[in-house]
This record gives sequence, structure tokens and C-alpha cells, in this order.
Amino acid sequence: EAGVAQSPRYKIIEKRQSVAFWCNPISGHATLYWYQQILGQGPKLLIQFQNNGVVDDSQLPKDRFSAERLKGVDSTLKIQPAKLEDSAVYLCASSLGFGTGNGNTIYFGEGSWLTVV
Amino acid sequence: LAKTTQPISMDSYEGQEVNITCSHNNIATNDYITWYQQFPSQGPRFIIQGYKTKVTNEVASLFIPADRKSSTLSLPRVSLSDTAVYYCLVGEPGRKLIWGLGTSLAVNP
Repeated sequence: EAGVAQSPRYKIIEKRQSVAFWCNPISGHATLYWYQQILGQGPKLLIQFQNNGVVDDSQLPKDRFSAERLKGVDSTLKIQPAKLEDSAVYLCASSLGFGTGNGNTIYFGEGSWLTVV
Repeated sequence: LAKTTQPISMDSYEGQEVNITCSHNNIATNDYITWYQQFPSQGPRFIIQGYKTKVTNEVASLFIPADRKSSTLSLPRVSLSDTAVYYCLVGEPGRKLIWGLGTSLAVNP
């Protein structure tokens, strides 16, 4: 079974520039998550989609971050303009249902490493 | 949302059994306990999940006491490749998960 695919793997940009990350979840997974992980910390949920609808985006800095999941499959996360503190790994994940428990497992991609200089 | 507390770091040696305990005093009735493993430069990977008593798979065992206020991940006979960060998560289907700092396990030769 193919895993969660993410690209690009690494990106270096200057502050105030824009960047976009792409995610292709596991086939058939209705739920897609974008997490931000700063070095030394656990992942922080930015946005969660159920099919192509947003379930939770309470921690997404909406003045600079945006995400979409067209047709309920692939997703794109965009940052514009980037700040130094956005340097982190951006993890995409997917699952059949959402949340955890009762056999529902969240599968993560390898992550997209962003450095803002 | 249930909050979890686990040791920041642990050290072990190859061949030993490692037990990582997670406290979740305000766990709710519908919450499950899930453990993930994360290697450097990779996304977290599911290890094991349970609701009560004991769960075992080919990688680990999960022990959950009757009051469910804590859980213990047991890794039998660790090797150098088990050096990673281990996250304990508590939550229910359909609800947001809160990730803590995890436990950084170092396995020494």
C-alpha cells in the first residue's frame, strides 16, 4: 500500500516569500491533516479535512497560512508571506476516519522541511 | 481534551526491555490510548493502540490499568534502531489529538 506522499522534501526561502507544500494521502482515506512540527516539539495540528471540508483549523494562522483539498483527495498548504518562526517540518497525514481509537490509525508522510532565512 | 505526561528522556542498552509510562489522569470514557514512534527526519509511525487491559503486537505491548489513568508502552529487547522519540496520545474518534513533547529514548550498545 502506498503511503502518504509529500513534496517538496526540503525548501529554503527568504522571509516574506511564499511557499507551497503538496500532499497526496493514502487512497481512500477521507481525513487529511496538516501538522507543523518545530524542532524538539511534538506535532501541532494546523488543519484537518474530512473529504474536502474543513473540520478544524483553529490553530492555523489564517493571516498567512492557507490550505485546500480540492476534490477530497490531494491537498496544498501555502504560506505567504513566510516568517522566520515558520521554520519547521510540515507533516501531512491521513486516516480513514478522524481522531483516534477503535482501530483508526493516522498515517504520516515523511514531511516537508522548511527553512526561512 | 486529555493531557498526557511522559518522561522527557530515557536511556537503555541493547537487549533490555524498555517501559515508558504515560500519565493521563483526566482520560475520558471514549478515549483511546495510542503510541507513535518518530525517527529523526521522518514522520511519526503508529506503534500500538488500546482501550483497556493489555494489547500486544509484533512490535510492542501496551499495559493499561483498570482506572486507565496511565499506560505503559513496553518494548522487548531493544536494539540501536529503536532510538527514537515515543509519543503517547489520548483521544477518541472524531476529536482532535494533542501531541506532547514525547519521550526521547536512547539505546546504547
